[in-house]
Amino acid sequence: GESVGLHLPTLSVQEGDNSIINCAYSNSASDYFIWYKQESGKGPQFIIDIRSNMDKRQGQRVTVLLNKTVKHLSLQIAATQPGDSAVYFCAVRWRGNDYKLSFGAGTTVTVRA
Amino acid sequence: DSGVTQTPKHLITATGQRVTLRCSPRSGDLSVYWYQQSLDQGLQFLIQYYNGEERAKGNILERFSAQQFPDLHSELNLSSLELGDSALYFCASSVDGLSSYNEQFFGPGTRLTVL
Repeated sequence: GESVGLHLPTLSVQEGDNSIINCAYSNSASDYFIWYKQESGKGPQFIIDIRSNMDKRQGQRVTVLLNKTVKHLSLQIAATQPGDSAVYFCAVRWRGNDYKLSFGAGTTVTVRA
Repeated sequence: DSGVTQTPKHLITATGQRVTLRCSPRSGDLSVYWYQQSLDQGLQFLIQYYNGEERAKGNILERFSAQQFPDLHSELNLSSLELGDSALYFCASSVDGLSSYNEQFFGPGTRLTVL
């Protein structure tokens, strides 16, 4: 099967600093990885995704890095803003699981002013 | 606003009862997914429908069932409710099915409280 874990359940970051959120997965056949942001009282919101044939993908202020050798995924947020305070989830899928997404437990990011 | 709507927003009921949660996907999306989010389990995939047909099943209990109608809206039926069924239930939709690289857009969720 697939297990998805996050290294830290909480992260406190100073406004303006960069944030790094980590995620580990277990199945080397995983082919698609997604980061979601969930604000209080709302549903998860897509941030960025990456396929297994890539190592890095950049969006607006966000970068996802994929290290397939150690089965590790990270989300970097540049110049963290108060609006970035939320719970961040990584989701992983693999073909052997009928492409279903397995979600990590989530990292709560708190931005200090 | 993701374009996915869910009703009701909150639901409070008693053990042993049955409830129906409703989801309308984004316009043009053919797939609907149901997830359960509880404090101790995180987000758990329950079931997926694609264009009216069940496509994939996750950790869905036999007491739970779902369907997708011709207009593509979906309903999740929860019966013989137990205290442990209290959770947030999210619906998500995507253009295509699980095997495609399409992001899933999540609705605002229904918070179910079983007393």
